[in-house]
Amino acid sequence: GNSVTQMEGPVTLSEEAFLTINCTYTATGYPSLFWYVQYPGEGLQLLLKATKADDKGSNKGFEATYRKETTSFHLEKGSVQVSDSAVYFCALKESGGYQKVTFGTGTKLQVIP
Amino acid sequence: EPEVTQTPSHQVTQMGQEVILRCVPISNHLYFYWYRQILGQKVEFLVSFYNNEISEKSEIFDDQFSVERPDGSNFTLKIRSTKLEDSAMYFCASMPLAGGQETQYFGPGTRLLVL
Repeated sequence: GNSVTQMEGPVTLSEEAFLTINCTYTATGYPSLFWYVQYPGEGLQLLLKATKADDKGSNKGFEATYRKETTSFHLEKGSVQVSDSAVYFCALKESGGYQKVTFGTGTKLQVIP
Repeated sequence: EPEVTQTPSHQVTQMGQEVILRCVPISNHLYFYWYRQILGQKVEFLVSFYNNEISEKSEIFDDQFSVERPDGSNFTLKIRSTKLEDSAMYFCASMPLAGGQETQYFGPGTRLLVL
């Protein structure tokens, strides 16, 4: 079955540091890949997505590239802010129909001033 | 921007009681889902729903759970006899007509606490 593996947290960074959160996946078909973010006490928000190999998703300074050869979708940001503190979930969805989203375990990011 | 809404935001119930969690999906969406997240754990799929019937359900979604779309706007999750381990955040999601690449949009969640 499908699965998503992401680096364990928590990750603690100083403001303006470079962020990488690793994510790899296993899927039987050709999934779409997503990063969702969950701010403290809130629900899941779509951060970015990529639907095919070599696509780059980007939003709010975050970006991730769909790498089929390494089955990876690492999240990066060049300069994090305190407001980026949240839990980040890597996820995939097989193409077609009603397919469910499969989530990774989440990585908690804490940015300190 | 349209969004998925859920009510209530928090619910506390006694073990063995029935609860109904409500969701209003985005209006032109046709696929509906429930997921749950036990505190500190990953988000898990429960059930998907399309054309007034369940499309897929996980092993978590046993006979204690049911879903319904009672009218044109609401989508509900019912837990008939709650257990302590049902305590979790429950997320509703919806998606437009699938062409393969559509995104699921999640609501803010209902935090259920079973005592």
